[in-house]
Amino acid sequence: KAGVTQTPRYLIKTRGQQVTLSCSPISGHRSVSWYQQTPGQGLQFLFEYFSETQRNKGNFPGRFSGRQFSNSRSEMNVSTLELGDSALYLCASADRGTTTNEKLFFGSGTQLSVL
Amino acid sequence: GDSVTQMEGPVTLSEEAFLTINCTYTATGYPSLFWYVQYPGEGLQLLLKATKADDKGSNKGFEATYRKETTSFHLEKGSVQVSDSAVYFCALSDLGQGAQKLVFGQGTRLTINP
Repeated sequence: KAGVTQTPRYLIKTRGQQVTLSCSPISGHRSVSWYQQTPGQGLQFLFEYFSETQRNKGNFPGRFSGRQFSNSRSEMNVSTLELGDSALYLCASADRGTTTNEKLFFGSGTQLSVL
Repeated sequence: GDSVTQMEGPVTLSEEAFLTINCTYTATGYPSLFWYVQYPGEGLQLLLKATKADDKGSNKGFEATYRKETTSFHLEKGSVQVSDSAVYFCALSDLGQGAQKLVFGQGTRLTINP
């Protein structure tokens, strides 16, 4: 089985632009969640999707949004980029994501640099 | 809210040394606890987990025991190898609106010298 695939691997943008990141979960997995990793704040939960519906959202401004398609692939969008949005964005997939002991499978991430 | 506090790094050890990375948590419910590892340029990989009090998770020589009385989940390994060099994250799993969410500690960078 292929793992979680995130594209692109690296992105460079300038302040004020917007960006879209993509995540393809493991085949058969329907839960996709997104995390932001920065040296200062560590790993923080952004949001989670299941069957095209956002079920849970972290404490991020409305500039951060996401969606999930019928094939479970997910995208996240950041509008009006700020320097502080520079981070590694990690996507994780799970079968259903409805229990606390379910294993999450992470992609290698998209490294976003905002100049 | 729920939180995880991890021993600050970086930690540098010699090969075959004993490893302990401390982790404590605060949670209102009964979370599952995890240790994830991140190798350079890669995402996170699950190392081990424990789902209830007194459970011991183990994998690749690493162990951690879920201690409810001390709200701890310390990671240990008896003899580390150079290949264990990585960043280690302690995490708890929370259910928000019925969806699993991980709350991570700050991470501990481990370097093993030959």
